Amino acid sequence: QVQLQQWGAGLLKPLETLSRTCAVYGGSFSDYYWCWIRQPPGKGLEWIGEVSHSGGTNYNPSLKSRVTISVDTSKNQFSLKLTSVTAADTAVYYCAGFKWGLGLDPWGQGTLVTVSS
Amino acid sequence: DIVMTQTPLSLSVIPGQPASISCKSSQSLFHGDGKTCLYWYLQKPGQSPQLLIYEVSNRFSGVPDRFSGSGSVTDFTLKISRVEAEDVGVYHCMQSTQFPYNFGQGTKLEIK
Repeated sequence: QVQLQQWGAGLLKPLETLSRTCAVYGGSFSDYYWCWIRQPPGKGLEWIGEVSHSGGTNYNPSLKSRVTISVDTSKNQFSLKLTSVTAADTAVYYCAGFKWGLGLDPWGQGTLVTVSS
Repeated sequence: DIVMTQTPLSLSVIPGQPASISCKSSQSLFHGDGKTCLYWYLQKPGQSPQLLIYEVSNRFSGVPDRFSGSGSVTDFTLKISRVEAEDVGVYHCMQSTQFPYNFGQGTKLEIK
């Protein structure tokens, strides 16, 4: 069974860079596209982007200028960087695996990232 | 972008009664490879979302058969035949036919 665990700073100041890493345990790392999704407090889910095991990426155009998602296959990890954060980036951030036709599963635990001066 | 619109945004259901949630997409979700990339997720209170339904109508592993999905093109429905207390939470539809993947606003189900 594939499990995901993420870490990174939970409190940021405006204009800092949000960095999160998600480690994948179990399963085949190359079977999935690895995604980041976020959920602002009291709001819906927003897909941030995805990375394949070979490093190919797709991003949400709404965030594309500030987002980088990368992969480290030697550690079965993938990472999110979001630059120049503002209060609007305050959200619970999730990492998840995506398989074409099957959707997003598994999901890691969500972590609240707060942007505040 | 494909916009996903869910209705209702909330519903209160007596245990044992049915429930239905609609999800409409602004464009056809039929993909060139023959799949219709519409999924349903349940986010229980305080938890990460969990996959219920993939490709419109396929129950994911371990999902009770009281959950069913239907629809095509732009109109989709999630039905719960007999709501149980453990079904409370927010239901999200999602499309992956076209980037960026998008979710509906979510529908909060409560027990009456």
